[in-house]
Formats: sequence, structure tokens, C-alpha cells
Amino acid sequence: NAGVTQTPKFRILKIGQSMTLQCTQDMNHNYMYWYRQDPGMGLKLIYYSVGAGITDKGEVPNGYNVSRSTTEDFPLRLELAAPSQTSVYFCASFGGADTQYFGPGTRLTVL
Amino acid sequence: DQQVKQNSPSLSVQEGRISILNCDYTNSMFDYFLWYKKYPAEGPTFLISISSIKDKNEDGRFTVFLNKSAKHLSLHIVPSQPGDSAVYFCAASVYRGSTLGRLYFGRGTQLTVWP
Repeated sequence: NAGVTQTPKFRILKIGQSMTLQCTQDMNHNYMYWYRQDPGMGLKLIYYSVGAGITDKGEVPNGYNVSRSTTEDFPLRLELAAPSQTSVYFCASFGGADTQYFGPGTRLTVL
Repeated sequence: DQQVKQNSPSLSVQEGRISILNCDYTNSMFDYFLWYKKYPAEGPTFLISISSIKDKNEDGRFTVFLNKSAKHLSLHIVPSQPGDSAVYFCAASVYRGSTLGRLYFGRGTQLTVWP
């Protein structure tokens, strides 16, 4: 099992550009999450999903959108990128019982 | 408002000694607590957890202690090894039925273990 995979690993965007961060899990987990981690800060929840077709906002959803058309995939869309979105983004999945499994992260810089 | 707090951003310990990482929480509804370890350029990985019905959970060199009345938990690593050098995140959640709810994370503590 690959677990949780994220692409790309790194990306530099210009202000106003858009992009999609990809996340895929192969553990058949219903729950998936997007977090961002700013320097010296903990992980802040952006969006989460409890199953295909169902998504909901976390603590910091502004400027982002998500979709969940399959169990495996949970892409995060940034529209009109802003410098405040410079961060490391982690995707995680959860089977419902013990713990969340995290991907390796995407480091995004908006200039 | 930070519901989970790790007030020490860094900790430096000599190899072989005990490392004690602390975590405080404010929400009395939290009933499940986890520690994650994170190496640079990697995602957090689960280390150890504890339910609020216990006050101690041990796994090898790692022990987590929970003091519900003080809303405080700590992670003890004995003996500390250089490979333990990483950022440690404390997280808390509420169990809903048999399902763990969303996690609330602290800001992390950078542990450095020197030879």
C-alpha cells in the first residue's frame, strides 16, 4: 500500500494564479482531510470529507475549494492565490478507529 | 483560540536521558489524545495515543501520561536517541460513538537529542 500520496511536492505560484493539490489514498478510508501548517504553528484544518460526495469546512476554508467524487481522491483547489496561502499542505485519511495517516506534504509558495 | 497548547517550542536533551514533552488543553470534552512525530519534508506520523479513561499508556520507550483534572498530558521518551530528533505534535479529539472526531493540534515542540 502506498498510503496517502500528494502531488506536487513543491510549487511556486504567482499572485492570482490557481492550482489544484492532488491527494490520493489507497486504504479505502472514508474520511479525508486537508491541513495547512504555517511556520511555528500547528496544523489547521481547511476542509474535510466523510465520504464520496460529502465535504465540509474546517477552521480556515477561505480561498480554497474541495471535491470528493471518489473514495480515493480528495483534491484541494486554490483560486486566486494570495501570499497568505504560502504554507505546507498536508492531506490525511482516516478509517474511523485509530489515527489519521498523513501524506508527505506539498510546499507552496505564492509570490 | 488554541484549544491544544504546547508552550515549549523546543527541547534539547542528551542521548540516553529522558525527554519530557508537555501539552495542555482547554476543552473538557476532549476524550482522546494523540502524539505525532514529524521529520523535515515528511508528513506527521502517529506515535502513541491515550483515552481519557486511562492515565498512562506505554509503548516501548514512549509513555504518555494524562492528568484530566489539570487538562495536561505529557510524553516521556526514555532513553532518548538521536533518531528521536523531530517535531512532536500533540492532538486531541472527541470520540463520537465508535468514530474519532476531527483532531485539534498544538503548535509542536522541536526535540533535539544530542550525543
